[in-house]
Amino acid sequence: KNEVEQSPQNLTAQEGEFITINCSYSVGISALHWLQQHPGGGIVSLFMLSSGKKKHGRLIATINIQEKHSSLHITASHPRDSAVYICAVSGGSQGNLIFGKGTKLSVKP
Amino acid sequence: DAMVIQNPRYQVTQFGKPVTLSCSQTLNHNVMYWYQQKSSQAPKLLFHYYDKDFNNEADTPDNFQSRRPNTSFCFLDIRSPGLGDAAMYLCATSRDISRWQFFGPGTRLTVL
Repeated sequence: KNEVEQSPQNLTAQEGEFITINCSYSVGISALHWLQQHPGGGIVSLFMLSSGKKKHGRLIATINIQEKHSSLHITASHPRDSAVYICAVSGGSQGNLIFGKGTKLSVKP
Repeated sequence: DAMVIQNPRYQVTQFGKPVTLSCSQTLNHNVMYWYQQKSSQAPKLLFHYYDKDFNNEADTPDNFQSRRPNTSFCFLDIRSPGLGDAAMYLCATSRDISRWQFFGPGTRLTVL
């Protein structure tokens, strides 16, 4: 079993829909990261969470430490949101990120 | 302004021919990471530097080496690339361990 599990693996939505991507982890962590990777490879860090909720524009990330679960929400989705969204956790003494396999999001106009 | 820069963006090399990938940062961060990402897989940490201290992952092949001559630059050397080393190589930096990581755009390596 992977230490970081994401669901769904693939997600297709219509423009304007509310989107939720889930992440569960089984290890102790100091922080959870949500990353965005567009075709072509570059990764952008979206959020780093250790508790509660953060909001950046149309993006919202929540974490429940007791349940070892985090969600990434996108409101009013747009085709430019199409990307792979990766959940990663950090917590070891080396600060390594343990990555989930990613959720491929496609938003249709 | 770009904060983590990787050169080149695309690199083609021949089987067994040494190759060096470059990463530079303008953030003055202490930590620099190298990740390998194969197609449709999650990034895999190869090693990282905390300042001048090199930290290798246990399963990183000996074929992969790294150098950090100063705070700004970090290099990934692949001594004898095999076909299985074709991948996207991502560099990232962070101010300290377990802090926000800033990723570069990646170098896509092709091995012929």
